[in-house]
Amino acid sequence: QSVLTQPPSASGTPGQRVTISCSGSNSNIGSNYVHWYQQVPGTAPKFLIYRNYLRPSGVPDRFSGSKSGTSASLAISGLRSEDEAVYYCAAWDDSLSGHVVFGGGTKLTVL
Amino acid sequence: EVQLVESGGGLVKPGGSLRLSCAASGFTFSSYSMNWVRQAPGKGLEWVSFISSSSSYIYYADSVKGRFTISRDNAKNSLFLQMHSLRAEDTAVYYCARTPAGNFGEFDYWGQGTLVTVSS
Repeated sequence: QSVLTQPPSASGTPGQRVTISCSGSNSNIGSNYVHWYQQVPGTAPKFLIYRNYLRPSGVPDRFSGSKSGTSASLAISGLRSEDEAVYYCAAWDDSLSGHVVFGGGTKLTVL
Repeated sequence: EVQLVESGGGLVKPGGSLRLSCAASGFTFSSYSMNWVRQAPGKGLEWVSFISSSSSYIYYADSVKGRFTISRDNAKNSLFLQMHSLRAEDTAVYYCARTPAGNFGEFDYWGQGTLVTVSS
């Protein structure tokens, strides 16, 4: 069971906007940055969103992140078939002796 | 171009040992913190260990503490993970990942991974 809670699945049709939630606690999301990763099956994870809402160079602005209290969200607008992947949130957790915690991942299906 | 290339994975019996390596290129390795992150077959990502740029700060997940040792050789642009007392639940693809500016949980570049299988 993951420290950060994500829905196991999400779906949308091309062009739609979808959001993926990530729920934590005061010791992780509530007091630290949230980062997001995209993993296409069979490949390494890709850096998608960092420090809650920043996009690395090369990531389309269709991807956006937000954080409020002990929860965070990833939004994908103008959904495309190549967005089909598993999305993970991550954060540092202050309650443990130095730990990074991940969400369990959300499998996004583009219908 | 930043490149991280893992090696050293393979099949090992329970209780055995293995040493993973990660060769870095395309950036000033000695300026960055590094991590190992693993992924069991069909499962999600699990952070394993962190080492700061000068090896001053080292952290481990509880699941590997006392069995795994992270280290680095900045002169050779290499990261290592020495694994002892391996268990079936350590079976996973192990990725090395770079952390910029000591921002824990932020992994801006990943290697392609190396598979470790613990089985008799």
